Amino acid sequence: ETGVTQTPRHLVMGMTNKKSLKCEQHLGHNAMYWYKQSAKKPLELMFVYNFKEQTENNSVPSRFSPECPNSSHLFLHLHTLQPEDSALYLCASSQDTGTGVEKLFFGSGTQLSVL
Amino acid sequence: GQNIDQPTEMTATEGAIVQINCTYQTSGFNGLFWYQQHAGEAPTFLSYNVLDGLEEKGRFSSFLSRSKGYSYLLLKELQMKDSASYLCAVRDSNYQLIWGAGTKLIIKP
Repeated sequence: ETGVTQTPRHLVMGMTNKKSLKCEQHLGHNAMYWYKQSAKKPLELMFVYNFKEQTENNSVPSRFSPECPNSSHLFLHLHTLQPEDSALYLCASSQDTGTGVEKLFFGSGTQLSVL
Repeated sequence: GQNIDQPTEMTATEGAIVQINCTYQTSGFNGLFWYQQHAGEAPTFLSYNVLDGLEEKGRFSSFLSRSKGYSYLLLKELQMKDSASYLCAVRDSNYQLIWGAGTKLIIKP
């Protein structure tokens, strides 16, 4: 079983739909992240959770709502999205958000298309 | 503003050597990372540099010059499986990761 698992792999939704992305990590890490990856653009950090507490919210629109019920699971709830929200959404985890070599372990992402 | 620059795309031949450059302008510096991302897959950690110099790990090496705001990833004895995007990221003074847009490397037989 891979370290970080994301479901679904692909999602197509209309602008009025509500859907959720799920992420699960099996690495015993304490920090989890949501990133947005658009073609030919840098990764955009959306949210960070450390020990289940949200520590970062990078001015993300309220149509994206994160939830972290425990240190192994992370959700991203989506509602009334816009076509420009179409992108690859990556979940990642790390041992902590400390100052050492905190390398990130990524899931394979959810490719989201908003029609 | 903070910025990471890397070439959008590079092409190299199987068995050859390729160098992928990354230049950065950030508010402070607390380490530089390289990640590899195959199409449709998760990015995976390749290397970390925080001091000047070369870090070698098998066929891959990463170099850092903090005074020049410059790093490169060197891939030797290229294999077809090395076709991927290579992401450069710098951790700034607030320990935030600033990402480049990635370099797509195409390996030809």
